[in-house]
Amino acid sequence: GDSVTQMEGPVTLSEEAFLTINCTYTATGYPSLFWYVQYPGEGLQLLLKATKADDKGSNKGFEATYRKETTSFHLEKGSVQVSDSAVYFCALSDIGDYKLSFGAGTTVTVRA
Amino acid sequence: DTGVSQNPRHKITKRGQNVTFRCDPISEHNRLYWYRQTLGQGPEFLTYFQNEAQLEKSRLLSDRFSAERPKGSFSTLEIQRTEQGDSAMYLCASSLLGKETQYFGPGTRLLVL
Repeated sequence: GDSVTQMEGPVTLSEEAFLTINCTYTATGYPSLFWYVQYPGEGLQLLLKATKADDKGSNKGFEATYRKETTSFHLEKGSVQVSDSAVYFCALSDIGDYKLSFGAGTTVTVRA
Repeated sequence: DTGVSQNPRHKITKRGQNVTFRCDPISEHNRLYWYRQTLGQGPEFLTYFQNEAQLEKSRLLSDRFSAERPKGSFSTLEIQRTEQGDSAMYLCASSLLGKETQYFGPGTRLLVL
């Protein structure tokens, strides 16, 4: 079945540092790929998505590129802020039912 | 757009009791999903509805679990004879038919003592 593997955390960074969270997937079809974020005390929010190979999703300074050849969707941000401290989830959905399969999540803490 | 709401936000119950959670999706969203999230893990799919029809149930959804969406609007998730292993965050999400993006509610945190 479909599955997502993402980099284990926790990750602790200083403000303005570069952030990368690795995500790889296994799917039988051609899934859509997502990054969701969960800020402390809040619900899951969509951060960005990509629906086909070589698409780049971007939002709030974060970027991720759908790489079919390496089955990856790594999340990057060039300069993190304290407000980026959250749990980040990589996820995929197959065409049709659109149910999401999530990775285990990566906790990111940014220190001032 | 008031977002997806879930009630209650927290529930503590004793083993063997029944509990029911409610989800109100974004209005006019045809699809409604239920997920379960345990500590340190990502959400896991439980079931989903298209309008009032329940189209798929995960193997995680044992016979003690039942979900309904009687009028194609709000949904309820009932757990009968709760067990300690049912302790988790139960998340609801909704989306428009044909759209991949799901919008999540804040979740209901269940603790079974």
